[in-house]
Amino acid sequence: EAGVAQSPRYKIIEKRQSVAFWCNPISGHATLYWYQQILGQGPKLLIQFQNNGVVDDSQLPKDRFSAERLKGVDSTLKIQPAKLEDSAVYLCASSFWGGSSYEQYFGPGTRLTVT
Amino acid sequence: DAKTTQPTSMDCAEGRAANLPCNHSTISGNEYVYWYRQIHSQGPQYIIHGLKNNETNEMASLIITEDRKSSTLILPHATLRDTAVYYCIVRVGQAGTALIFGKGTTLSVSS
Repeated sequence: EAGVAQSPRYKIIEKRQSVAFWCNPISGHATLYWYQQILGQGPKLLIQFQNNGVVDDSQLPKDRFSAERLKGVDSTLKIQPAKLEDSAVYLCASSFWGGSSYEQYFGPGTRLTVT
Repeated sequence: DAKTTQPTSMDCAEGRAANLPCNHSTISGNEYVYWYRQIHSQGPQYIIHGLKNNETNEMASLIITEDRKSSTLILPHATLRDTAVYYCIVRVGQAGTALIFGKGTTLSVSS
């Protein structure tokens, strides 16, 4: 089966610019997650969607970050304006809702460098 | 979710068993132990999970102590491709629940 797709894989921007990341989850997965991974640390949840509704966005810096999941499939994560501390890998993951499978499937991530 | 404690790094010779420990002394009765790993420049990958009993799959074995306060992930015959950061995560066994990652254990397998 096809995995979680993310694009772009790499992005370099200057501070105060805006950037957007795209994620296509595994077909049939109702739950979608965006994680931020700073170098040397484990991933940290930014936002979780169930279909096209937000389940948890408590750690999303809402003054600069936004995310949407239209039609309950693809998702985009946007940063505007970017800061130096936003340099990180942004990981998208998806999973089933309910049933016996507890796995989350991660995409390869987008490495963002803010200069 | 309960916190976990893992060693920062471990080394293992290729072909030998890699035993990765994890302490989770505050685990609750409805919380499972999950293991994920992250190979360089890739997203995390699910390995195995368990509640009370020991578990085994094609990738690894998971040994959970009787009091459930610690566990060990065993890679029976480590290869160079097993070099990765290994994360031990404790969370309720409910699909659609986000993962809380620590810093994990960096396992280096050498020939």
